Amino acid sequence: GAGVSQSPSNKVTEKGKDVELRCDPISGHTALYWYRQRLGQGLEFLIYFQGNSAPDKSGLPSDRFSAERTGESVSTLTIQRTQQEDSAVYLCASSPPGGLGNEQFFGPGTRLTVL
Amino acid sequence: KNQVEQSPQSLIILEGKNCTLQCNYTVSPFSNLRWYKQDTGRGPVSLTIMTFSENTKSNGRYTATLDADTKQSSLHITASQLSDSASYICVVSPGGYNKLIFGAGTRLAVHP
Repeated sequence: GAGVSQSPSNKVTEKGKDVELRCDPISGHTALYWYRQRLGQGLEFLIYFQGNSAPDKSGLPSDRFSAERTGESVSTLTIQRTQQEDSAVYLCASSPPGGLGNEQFFGPGTRLTVL
Repeated sequence: KNQVEQSPQSLIILEGKNCTLQCNYTVSPFSNLRWYKQDTGRGPVSLTIMTFSENTKSNGRYTATLDADTKQSSLHITASQLSDSASYICVVSPGGYNKLIFGAGTRLAVHP
């Protein structure tokens, strides 16, 4: 009965480097979301995957951000040429098919610090 | 613009006391409203969910209320414990597949 897991838990990188963040959703969950949470602010939607449908990328802040998901399993969020403004906690969540009100189960997040 | 505003931004109370957190939203259409608890360094965990027809929902010492007419919700915590120290996030769903609107949260600190 593992929950959503994310890795790494912390990532420190230099400005201009690329980073890759990983999310393992709960088994059987068809929907997967990525959010960004800046210090003291609410969660910002980044991208949504649902099964084999085309992802909703409307929340990605720039073309430096991209995400992939293989089937209904692992997802990776890639940030290219990182900037200091990218420093935040990146949260992943998954949802089961059907169910009430799109309940989302969150992972612990990856704290990204860009120096 | 869809927005969720929470107050206060932060709150300090003594262990054993009660407190009430507020949430106002301008999300339309409205599907449901959730309260999440987020411990430091952890992901948010759902406490309650209410649809527009529900006025109150309890989960142990947590009681959420919803007034869909005034677009206000509150989360009341009774007999607070040290473990209640966390951020409490109000989240509104406008329906559709799932693009949730998150408030910035209220940071609660319970002191002994």
